Amino acid sequence: DQQVKQNSPSLSVQEGRISILNCDYTNSMFDYFLWYKKYPAEGPTFLISISSIKDKNEDGRFTVFLNKSAKHLSLHIVPSQPGDSAVYFCAASKETSGSRLTFGEGTQLTVNP
Amino acid sequence: DAGVIQSPRHEVTEMGQEVTLRCKPISGHDYLFWYRQTMMRGLELLIYFNNNVPIDDSGMPEDRFSAKMPNASFSTLKIQPSEPRDSAVYFCASSRYNEQFFGPGTRLTVL
Repeated sequence: DQQVKQNSPSLSVQEGRISILNCDYTNSMFDYFLWYKKYPAEGPTFLISISSIKDKNEDGRFTVFLNKSAKHLSLHIVPSQPGDSAVYFCAASKETSGSRLTFGEGTQLTVNP
Repeated sequence: DAGVIQSPRHEVTEMGQEVTLRCKPISGHDYLFWYRQTMMRGLELLIYFNNNVPIDDSGMPEDRFSAKMPNASFSTLKIQPSEPRDSAVYFCASSRYNEQFFGPGTRLTVL
């Protein structure tokens, strides 16, 4: 049962344009959501998060939007830079599960110069 | 802080051999997680600890896999005997709240 899904395995955008990565979840008990970025031969690194009491969180070029009714979240990167090329994972957690995260399958983002 | 430390970074072994992966979490973090990443299954949680106690090991694939956390600064993941299908990248992560911090991973190849 894949409770967190990233339906796009890959995304390619031009430098300077907006990148939009999408994530859907099925478990309505999830109340905290995170995005991680992963470069080859490295571990995933935390990027940005959002609590279910918010619908938007912004950090520099990165903004995460949460639509609880649709059980959907998205990560916007603007402007996109070649260094953003990486695999992006969304993850979700339930307050009652402590720190345990459920990850999506990941989306490979390629930003072309 | 040095972050989560994993060793070795690469391990090549032959089928049937015992493999031990090591992890040092970030000081002060009371959760520790072991993940495995493969092309087929993505990033899957194997087991996690809270305050050195295993909380959920339902992701451990078989009895060949075992994990221990003898103290707050050290954990091991052991595979005995190893099989070619165990070839993957194994990550350790630690956390205090919701954000998990990952180590660089151990790339395991079982021939």
